[in-house]
Amino acid sequence: KQEVTQIPAALSVPEGENLVLNCSFTDSAIYNLQWFRQDPGKGLTSLLLIQSSQREQTSGRLNASLDKSSGRSTLYIAASQPGDSATYLCAVPNQAGTALIFGKGTTLSVSS
Amino acid sequence: DADVTQTPRNRITKTGKRIMLECSQTKGHDRMYWYRQDPGLGLRLIYYSFDVKDINKGEISDGYSVSRQAQAKFSLSLESAIPNQTALYFCATSDLLNEQFFGPGTRLTVL
Repeated sequence: KQEVTQIPAALSVPEGENLVLNCSFTDSAIYNLQWFRQDPGKGLTSLLLIQSSQREQTSGRLNASLDKSSGRSTLYIAASQPGDSATYLCAVPNQAGTALIFGKGTTLSVSS
Repeated sequence: DADVTQTPRNRITKTGKRIMLECSQTKGHDRMYWYRQDPGLGLRLIYYSFDVKDINKGEISDGYSVSRQAQAKFSLSLESAIPNQTALYFCATSDLLNEQFFGPGTRLTVL
């Protein structure tokens, strides 16, 4: 059964720092991986979708990488800002491809 | 306007009551989902539908039912609400690449 783990569970950094969030999954037979952002009590916003044939995807200050063979993905945030404070979730499709399996997220706090 | 909308956004109800949560989307996607989110447990799938005539149970479907009224509408019902169904409920849609898009959520409290 696919399991998704995100480490660390929480992270606090000063404004301007570059940071990396980690996501690992147990079954490498995935066809994509998706990163989301969730603000407290709000919905999930899709940040990046990486197909299995890709190794990286970039959107603005965000860069996500995918290494299927090692079961890992990282989300790199450059020059962090207080507005980046949120919970970041990664998710992969289940084996049947019918829905997503989520990690429990990394809660990021960026102080000014 | 939001692509995926949910109503109501907040709901407080009593044990035993029947309630319905509604979801509408303007993205034109065939695939729709209902998830619930609980602190410490993350997001879990309740039901999913790949088209109007297709309804499937997810990981935690007991105590819930759904209706796919049209491509754009997918409703979740709690036939007899109980306190452990207190949670944040999300509707989502996905495209052919299986990128999922979420609604703003419904915060449900069952007293």
